[in-house]
Amino acid sequence: GENVEQHPSTLSVQEGDSAVIKCTYSDSASNYFPWYKQELGKRPQLIIDIRSNVGEKKDQRIAVTLNKTAKHFSLHITETQPEDSAVYFCAAPISSGSARQLTFGSGTQLTVLP
Amino acid sequence: GAGVSQSPRYKVAKRGQDVALRCDPISGHVSLFWYQQALGQGPEFLTYFQNEAQLDKSGLPSDRFFAERPEGSVSTLKIQRTQQEDSAVYLCANTGPNTGELFFGEGSRLTVL
Repeated sequence: GENVEQHPSTLSVQEGDSAVIKCTYSDSASNYFPWYKQELGKRPQLIIDIRSNVGEKKDQRIAVTLNKTAKHFSLHITETQPEDSAVYFCAAPISSGSARQLTFGSGTQLTVLP
Repeated sequence: GAGVSQSPRYKVAKRGQDVALRCDPISGHVSLFWYQQALGQGPEFLTYFQNEAQLDKSGLPSDRFFAERPEGSVSTLKIQRTQQEDSAVYLCANTGPNTGELFFGEGSRLTVL
């Protein structure tokens, strides 16, 4: 099974509504959970992250929540705007070989309808 | 990823050709990562360097993939005898100022015909 599972794979919302994307992870030792935004043809860009010592973090219209017991974390975007349309990826450090490498979810295509 | 430069941005190769993809990281950065992003998927870890030492290559999909960073700065990802399934964007990344952060370059899009 996947080490980082992300859903939904696609999400459409009306401008001004909220969007929520959820991820689960398998490695209980993971302690860092970033979210990346990737516009078409561009590189993934870090938009927000959270560490395991807090349960929630906010940055303007974006927030991330973490439930370590359940091993899941979520991205919340409020008052969505058309420029929020992009693919969003969650990630978590999962054991790989001799180290713990950042492993990405499969992505959520967010479309904000004007 | 300000400062992480990758070349070429686009590469078309015939099946069986060898390719080399270059990453110029942010000056002075110790850590360097390579990821592969297939169409419609998230980035997948390939390999990791600390200075010139390749500390983790567990993500390289086959022995046709080889990465090096001989002087601890520029890195090259080489793919021998390319196959169609190698078609993807290859992303290079440096770490940020805080533990765990990764900042990506613009990537090299490889298309194998």
